[in-house]
Amino acid sequence: DAGVIQSPRHEVTEMGQEVTLRCKPISGHNSLFWYRQTMMRGLELLIYFNNNVPIDDSGMPEDRFSAKMPNASFSTLKIQPSEPRDSAVYFCASSTSGTGSYEQYFGPGTRLTVT
Amino acid sequence: DQQVKQNSPSLSVQEGRISILNCDYTNSMFDYFLWYKKYPAEGPTFLISISSIKDKNEDGRFTVFLNKSAKHLSLHIVPSQPGDSAVYFCAARTNAGKSTFGDGTTLTVKP
Repeated sequence: DAGVIQSPRHEVTEMGQEVTLRCKPISGHNSLFWYRQTMMRGLELLIYFNNNVPIDDSGMPEDRFSAKMPNASFSTLKIQPSEPRDSAVYFCASSTSGTGSYEQYFGPGTRLTVT
Repeated sequence: DQQVKQNSPSLSVQEGRISILNCDYTNSMFDYFLWYKKYPAEGPTFLISISSIKDKNEDGRFTVFLNKSAKHLSLHIVPSQPGDSAVYFCAARTNAGKSTFGDGTTLTVKP
């Protein structure tokens, strides 16, 4: 299995531009998570989906952030407009769900720099 | 309120010795605890987990201990190897599927 795939791996953009991050989860996984990692705030959960439905978006920082999961094999995280404080590494992860530990499998991350 | 805390930002041990990484939590509703390892420029990878109804789980060189009364868990690596040098994240999961991560501990194993 190819694992969780994220694109792009690196994104540099100017303040005010729209940024779209993409994620393909592992086939057969029905939960998908978006995280943001910064030095100040560590690894924080932004939103997660179960069976393509957003379950908890309480971590989304503000209305500039939106996420979609149109089908079981694709998700996007969009920032519009982007700001310098959005600079971070964004991880997508997937897992199965239900009882059990159901560990998450992370993608390699997208390093976003907003100038 | 940080529900999962790793109070030691870094730990350095000699190759062959034991590494002990600690984690504290506040939410009694967590039903699983997991440890992830992260190398630079990569995503975290799952290492080992423990159910809240157990107090120990072992997998090769890695053992996780859970003390529910103290709301504390620890990861023991023995013997430590230079390849174990990485950032280790403690995570706690609720039965709703949401995981909360600690800030991580950077482990350095010196040859």
